[in-house]
Amino acid sequence: DVKVTQSSRYLVKRTGEKVFLECVQDMDHENMFWYRQDPGLGLRLIYFSYDVKMKEKGDIPEGYSVSREKKERFSLILESASTNQTSMYLCASSLSRSYNEQFFGPGTRLTVL
Amino acid sequence: AQSVAQPEDQVNVAEGNPLTVKCTYSVSGNPYLFWYVQYPNRGLQFLLKYITGDNLVKGSYGFEAEFNKSQTSFHLKKPSALVSDSALYFCAVRGPDSNYQLIWGAGTKLIIKP
Repeated sequence: DVKVTQSSRYLVKRTGEKVFLECVQDMDHENMFWYRQDPGLGLRLIYFSYDVKMKEKGDIPEGYSVSREKKERFSLILESASTNQTSMYLCASSLSRSYNEQFFGPGTRLTVL
Repeated sequence: AQSVAQPEDQVNVAEGNPLTVKCTYSVSGNPYLFWYVQYPNRGLQFLLKYITGDNLVKGSYGFEAEFNKSQTSFHLKKPSALVSDSALYFCAVRGPDSNYQLIWGAGTKLIIKP
């Protein structure tokens, strides 16, 4: 089974702090994704990566950056956290472009005070 | 523009009754369609997908979905609901021209009452 793990289940940070969310997948997937999930809005794509060191903006990249130095690891960075970034963050991975099933981690619920 | 609509925020069904969770989509070209489920405090789990072929797709936990091209719909169904089916359900679509991305519906909360 594919396993996608996220570094924290719950995180509380203060406004202005730099926040790192880490995601690791263990099935050699090419593609990795970061979403945020808010009630009534579904999942919104922040960034995705289709290869090491490659990244592309999703629908809501403002205020976020990402890093993919190794194939199995995809990090989401909030450079200066703000209260409107309080949300559930979901990481996902998929095998390749032609296999679009995405496998999700358990999520990180981030609260910015 | 590509889009997905789940017209019901919440669906209530009695245990043992059939259930339907609705999804309609708008994409150019032939769509790839997906259903995912999210149990409380868990990540999303893949249920089933339609890529091509038979319009009726069977998935995990006894769920199935029917692709209807003329109505641009992909409704999720189950013949007999269980209390344990209570969860949040998401429909997603990928158009043939989209770059890896899935377009997600807002989600439908399914509540199965004993």
